[in-house]
Amino acid sequence: GAVVSQHPSWVICKSGTSVKIECRSLDFQATTMFWYRQFPKQSLMLMATSNEGSKATYEQGVEKDKFLINHASLTLSTLTVTSAHPEDSSFYICSARVVSGSEGTGELFFGEGSRLTVL
Amino acid sequence: AQSVTQLGSHVSVSEGALVLLRCNYSSSVPPYLFWYVQYPNQGLQLLLKYTSAATLVKGINGFEAEFKKSETSFHLTKPSAHMSDAAEYFCAVTGSSNTGKLIFGQGTTLQVKP
Repeated sequence: GAVVSQHPSWVICKSGTSVKIECRSLDFQATTMFWYRQFPKQSLMLMATSNEGSKATYEQGVEKDKFLINHASLTLSTLTVTSAHPEDSSFYICSARVVSGSEGTGELFFGEGSRLTVL
Repeated sequence: AQSVTQLGSHVSVSEGALVLLRCNYSSSVPPYLFWYVQYPNQGLQLLLKYTSAATLVKGINGFEAEFKKSETSFHLTKPSAHMSDAAEYFCAVTGSSNTGKLIFGQGTTLQVKP
């Protein structure tokens, strides 16, 4: 299957700093990527839909200025947590769909996730 | 709008026993349904998916699920649990074939006892 890679897997930062997480589709092109947030022992919450070459679409309640998303190419989307605070500590997971082919069923390929800890 | 409810946040079975993880969905349009598995500190791996073809779907690792429209259910089963099946399982739904926007259930932790 297709491979989606996230980097970094783990990151610890001080409160007030910004952190960038990368999501790459390694062997396919993805016009659309999705960013999810997962708290411990909880489900995945969709944060935003990242569209290549256009602005991201954020879910209700997600702060656009807090979580900056950039999808500059068909293989890379980035999530920047700006002025991070301890409550932003979470597991962030991205997913991506292939551009064409038989994958028109909503199937996504998920990254390994990035665990952010804000001190 | 779509939603998913997983009944039971924690399921415990003995090794070799039947695994049954319950999922009920709500969707205003014909749904596409998925089961994913997540191991600690990892992303999600697709177990199986229903996309309006056969109602009984077979997936990887011996799992299968049956789509029952009348019951709005998509329960996940495996005849015989293995220790390696212990993980978090998520049911998800999308109402359109091309958005890829999945709505996840709360998740069910499967514990397998020796």
